[in-house]
Amino acid sequence: QSVLTQPPSVSGAPGQRITISCTGSSSNIGAGYGVQWFQQLPGTAPKLLIYGSDNRPSGIPDRFSGSKSGTSASLAITGLQAEDEADYYCQTYDSTRTGFYVFGTGTEVTVL
Amino acid sequence: EVQVVESGGGLARPGGSLRLSCEVSGTTFSSYAMSWVRQAPEKGLEWVSTVSGRGGSTYYADSVRGRFTISRDNSNNTLFLHMNSLRAEDTALYFCVKESTPYRSAYSWFDTWGQGTLVIVSS
Repeated sequence: QSVLTQPPSVSGAPGQRITISCTGSSSNIGAGYGVQWFQQLPGTAPKLLIYGSDNRPSGIPDRFSGSKSGTSASLAITGLQAEDEADYYCQTYDSTRTGFYVFGTGTEVTVL
Repeated sequence: EVQVVESGGGLARPGGSLRLSCEVSGTTFSSYAMSWVRQAPEKGLEWVSTVSGRGGSTYYADSVRGRFTISRDNSNNTLFLHMNSLRAEDTALYFCVKESTPYRSAYSWFDTWGQGTLVIVSS
């Protein structure tokens, strides 16, 4: 049972902009901890897309951007492409349990 | 380029044991905390355990505490997960993941993932 809630699915047409929300609480996102976003293409391992809420690792296109406000975070994908079809997970630290990293419930992105 | 390669998965009986291994190359292994994250079939990601860079600090999810033990051999750039008293609900793809800092931190992140090793617990 995840403490971070994401919409189960989001879809968009090629070229469109979509956003994926990640809702937490005062013990995780609201406490100021960084939020990470991972992309998991079918049959592959997760890949880091965003770290520290709004930073992109080298090699990640600037079509992907992250933001955070209060107890929620968001991932935006602009110029949606067919290759963006994947599952997306948010992740952060939760201070209610020592050493706990928590993941979101995951969102399946479909390109129409 | 950092490479992470897991091994040791397979079929185990309920109550049985398995040991997963993870070899890391292309980086100074002892400088980073390492974690295991699992994914049950058709389910989301679940953090399992973390060990600090020097191995002195370990952390576990409630679901595995007391049954799983994480350890590392920095001389051989290898991470381990010893799994005892296995249950059907432990069936999952287990990913070995490199963190961005030497210690578990609220401000670190999982920057490099292996491809995973599949553990199936069934009678």
